[in-house]
Amino acid sequence: GENVEQHPSTLSVQEGDSAVIKCTYSDSASNYFPWYKQELGKRPQLIIDIRSNVGEKKDQRIAVTLNKTAKHFSLHITETQPEDSAVYFCAASKNSGAGSYQLTFGKGTKLSVIP
Amino acid sequence: NAGVTQTPKFRVLKTGQSMTLLCAQDMNHEYMYWYRQDPGMGLRLIHYSVGEGTTAKGEVPDGYNVSRLKKQNFLLGLESAAPSQTSVYFCASRGRSPGLAGHEQYFGPGTRLTVT
Repeated sequence: GENVEQHPSTLSVQEGDSAVIKCTYSDSASNYFPWYKQELGKRPQLIIDIRSNVGEKKDQRIAVTLNKTAKHFSLHITETQPEDSAVYFCAASKNSGAGSYQLTFGKGTKLSVIP
Repeated sequence: NAGVTQTPKFRVLKTGQSMTLLCAQDMNHEYMYWYRQDPGMGLRLIHYSVGEGTTAKGEVPDGYNVSRLKKQNFLLGLESAAPSQTSVYFCASRGRSPGLAGHEQYFGPGTRLTVT
């Protein structure tokens, strides 16, 4: 099955600096890569995603890049703010039958933005 | 529009007891999923459903059963709870979409289960 590795497990940055979280996946058939943000005690929420036919996607201060050849994708957060502090999860997915698109998650990165 | 809701929010069980977690969604979504979240382990898929009356095993199905008798509800059952099933359980749902569009899974607020 799919295996998703995520690094680093913890990341501390000064407010205003950039943060980068990296993930690798094992199944070359995976074609959908979402990123979820989970604040303490809350549910995971999608912040950005990318399909395999796209190399980069941006949404204001966040961006995701995908290298299909190397099977890795990254989340970039610029101009970090204290409210960016949370646990971030990457995931990989493919159609596993009947359109199910099961997600395999990385183990998460705890981002702390220091004011 | 409540989205995805879960019942109960918290529960403490003794080893060997049984319980059912209820997930409900009001978005007319075809696909529903149950995950467990343990510290340092991310979210792991337990079971999922691609439509009313269907269920399938995920990555960690042992010790759990599920049912999807109505499209809007997805039940997760623990027949004989074990301490290893202490976890936070999240339900999620997703709508049907053509191709690769619309793959966002919407998560419920979670159920914190402790088995002593």
